Amino acid sequence: DAGVIQSPRHEVTEMGQEVTLRCKPISGHDYLFWYRQTMMRGLELLIYFNNNVPIDDSGMPEDRFSAKMPNASFSTLKIQPSEPRDSAVYFCASSFTPAGGYYGYTFGSGTRLTVV
Amino acid sequence: AQKVTQAQTEISVVEKEDVTLDCVYETRDTTYYLFWYKQPPSGELVFLIRRNSFDEQNEISGRYSWNFQKSTSSFNFTITASQVVDSAVYFCALGGSGGGADGLTFGKGTHLIIQP
Repeated sequence: DAGVIQSPRHEVTEMGQEVTLRCKPISGHDYLFWYRQTMMRGLELLIYFNNNVPIDDSGMPEDRFSAKMPNASFSTLKIQPSEPRDSAVYFCASSFTPAGGYYGYTFGSGTRLTVV
Repeated sequence: AQKVTQAQTEISVVEKEDVTLDCVYETRDTTYYLFWYKQPPSGELVFLIRRNSFDEQNEISGRYSWNFQKSTSSFNFTITASQVVDSAVYFCALGGSGGGADGLTFGKGTHLIIQP
């Protein structure tokens, strides 16, 4: 299995522009998570999906952030408009939970976003 | 609320020394899961171990070992005969009774430096 695949690996954009981050989870995994890593706040959960349905988006910082999962093999995290304080590494993770247990909880390589 | 504390921000040792990374957690759940991840300089998050709250047996994997003590809410990680390749940031994380349905709470990480 190729693991969790994120694209792009690096993104540099100007303030005010729309940014879309992409994630392909491991096939067969039923949960997908988006995390953000910053020096100040560490790793924090933004939103997660179960079987493509958003379950908890309480970690999404502002209305400028939105996430979708149109099918089991693809998710996007969008920031519109972007701001310099959104600069961070964004991780996607997926897991398989047949009866609880966080099986195979795997992270992608991350997208390093820089907003200038 | 869940909380993970990694009190050691940075540890520096000389190669071949043993080193222990501390992790203390807080949760009201009776069923929970504990994780360790390694983040090398390349930035990805590498899964090391997952442990559920009902399994208090210590685990050894090569030079790595983990000591889980519910009585002190700790899940410490020891590297024996450290090597330069062990240099990384190590994160302890806690998952709740949702068994994958509620994301992970991460500690701030311990930056481990192994000097040759």
